[in-house]
Amino acid sequence: KAGVTQTPRYLIKTRGQQVTLSCSPISGHRSVSWYQQTPGQGLQFLFEYFSETQRNKGNFPGRFSGRQFSNSRSEMNVSTLELGDSALYLCASSLEGQGETQYFGPGTRLLVL
Amino acid sequence: GIQVEQSPPDLILQEGANSTLRCNFSDSVNNLQWFHQNPWGQLINLFYIPSGTKQNGRLSATTVATERYSLLYISSSQTTDSGVYFCAVELSGSSNTGKLIFGQGTTLQVKP
Repeated sequence: KAGVTQTPRYLIKTRGQQVTLSCSPISGHRSVSWYQQTPGQGLQFLFEYFSETQRNKGNFPGRFSGRQFSNSRSEMNVSTLELGDSALYLCASSLEGQGETQYFGPGTRLLVL
Repeated sequence: GIQVEQSPPDLILQEGANSTLRCNFSDSVNNLQWFHQNPWGQLINLFYIPSGTKQNGRLSATTVATERYSLLYISSSQTTDSGVYFCAVELSGSSNTGKLIFGQGTTLQVKP
């Protein structure tokens, strides 16, 4: 089976712009979780989607949003980018999302200038 | 909220040495995973181990859920083992669905 894929792998944006990141889960997986990794805060949970519904959300401002499509692919959007949004964004997929192994994609590195 | 603490924060070994990484957590969990983050940033699954003991080649892990800790053992370390090792837990309950809480990681350097 193909693993979790994320596009794009690298992205450079300027403050105030918006960005959309994409995640394709492992075939058959219906849960997708998103995480942000920064040197200062480590790995932090953003949100989780299952069957096109957001089931759980971390402590991030409303500028961070996401959605999931009927084929389980997910996108996350960050509007009005700030310098502090520079990070590695990782998505993970699992079958149902509860108490299961999460498999991570390679990540998208976002640099905000 | 739950605290996930990993120790040591940094570890330097000579090739061939053994090591033990520890993860302490402050609440009951229904998922515990160990990851190795490669130099390109990807998190590689090592173990899904909410309880018990598992082994995979030179790596093994033990989680004692009642005492709220997990250990990752690396034997006969190789330079390719270098990188950051993360422990992550998921609490039970619908409000915690799909949410892994990560420790701060242990950075391992294996010298030839």
